[in-house]
Amino acid sequence: GIQVEQSPPDLILQEGANSTLRCNFSDSVNNLQWFHQNPWGQLINLFYIPSGTKQNGRLSATTVATERYSLLYISSSQTTDSGVYFCAVDWWEYGNKLVFGAGTILRVKS
Amino acid sequence: EAGVAQSPRYKIIEKRQSVAFWCNPISGHATLYWYQQILGQGPKLLIQFQNNGVVDDSQLPKDRFSAERLKGVDSTLKIQPAKLEDSAVYLCASSLPPPEKLFFGSGTQLSVL
Repeated sequence: GIQVEQSPPDLILQEGANSTLRCNFSDSVNNLQWFHQNPWGQLINLFYIPSGTKQNGRLSATTVATERYSLLYISSSQTTDSGVYFCAVDWWEYGNKLVFGAGTILRVKS
Repeated sequence: EAGVAQSPRYKIIEKRQSVAFWCNPISGHATLYWYQQILGQGPKLLIQFQNNGVVDDSQLPKDRFSAERLKGVDSTLKIQPAKLEDSAVYLCASSLPPPEKLFFGSGTQLSVL
């Protein structure tokens, strides 16, 4: 099956710092989505980004499908950004179902 | 716009007991998913519905898990009998016909003692 690898597994930031999270995948995908799981367990969809770059406030994402990776940028981090960030890919061979990576745990300290 | 509704929020049962979870998707979302998330891991798909038909249940342990989606709206996921390894968060999600953006409910945290 497809492998979805996220790095780093764990990240600690001081409030105000910037960070880049990476998602590598081992096969062609139809689309890719980034999620934030807050400390209360709620999964929030951040981006639906099969290719190209999108921005939403302090967050932006870039997917380079031909090179099989995606990046999530967080600028001027805030304590509310803490949680787990997941990327999930719609693998063409799996048929419109998302396969999740293991996530990056982000802790932002004030 | 209302999000995906799930209940209960927490459930504690003993092994070999049965349990049921309920989900109401976002209005107009034909596709509904049940995911299992074990602590420290990403969500894993259990079953996917398109309207009231099953699209994929290849990862559903059918000897103990069952799910239905009556009238193509609400869905229930049942476990009978529960095992210790079923302790996890059960997440419901919905979307427009895929591939589309996925929206999750707040989940049901199940503890099997």
